Amino acid sequence: DAKTTQPPSMDCAEGRAANLPCNHSTISGNEYVYWYRQIHSQGPQYIIHGLKNNETNEMASLIITEDRKSSTLILPHATLRDTAVYYCIVRVVDTGNQFYFGTGTSLTVIP
Amino acid sequence: DVKVTQSSRYLVKRTGEKVFLECVQDMDHENMFWYRQDPGLGLRLIYFSYDVKMKEKGDIPEGYSVSREKKERFSLILESASTNQTSMYLCASEGESGNTIYFGEGSWLTVV
Repeated sequence: DAKTTQPPSMDCAEGRAANLPCNHSTISGNEYVYWYRQIHSQGPQYIIHGLKNNETNEMASLIITEDRKSSTLILPHATLRDTAVYYCIVRVVDTGNQFYFGTGTSLTVIP
Repeated sequence: DVKVTQSSRYLVKRTGEKVFLECVQDMDHENMFWYRQDPGLGLRLIYFSYDVKMKEKGDIPEGYSVSREKKERFSLILESASTNQTSMYLCASEGESGNTIYFGEGSWLTVV
């Protein structure tokens, strides 16, 4: 699975959009981009995933560049409860294939 | 919603004790996983299972074993706990589609 690069930390004002970047320049054609987050002392929580089209759900939007070498997770109106570590993962969708979690981005939402 | 339940959130055990960490999922998922998470090391896969009575080693299986007697239940066993097994342990499950995995809340184990 391709590696990802994320900034170690970011701040965002409460109520503003949080834009979390991820670089995955070696991604291959059959690898999806996944985002999880982990609030302190809890298990990782699935947010969203996509292949090449932009995706949106009730939690967030995922924007993938046309060349698929990078993506951005957008939390449209960040709240204090969105303070967490956010992980970007690329993975071939295949049952039993591992999810490799890196060190992620620590997002702090500031009141 | 998928529910992955880990029976113990916080445990303190003595060196040499046998430790059981239990995990149950309610979505009839085929695949289940045990990870441990340590500061600076991310999540590391210990064992996983594709089906009842099947198990596969992950990246760090030494010192651990697992049991999958029923589809919904996946147990992690520390035969003789050691202090370097102090960690947060995460169970996860995944359906046949291989689409995504869902995690439990985690079990914090301290070995003294």
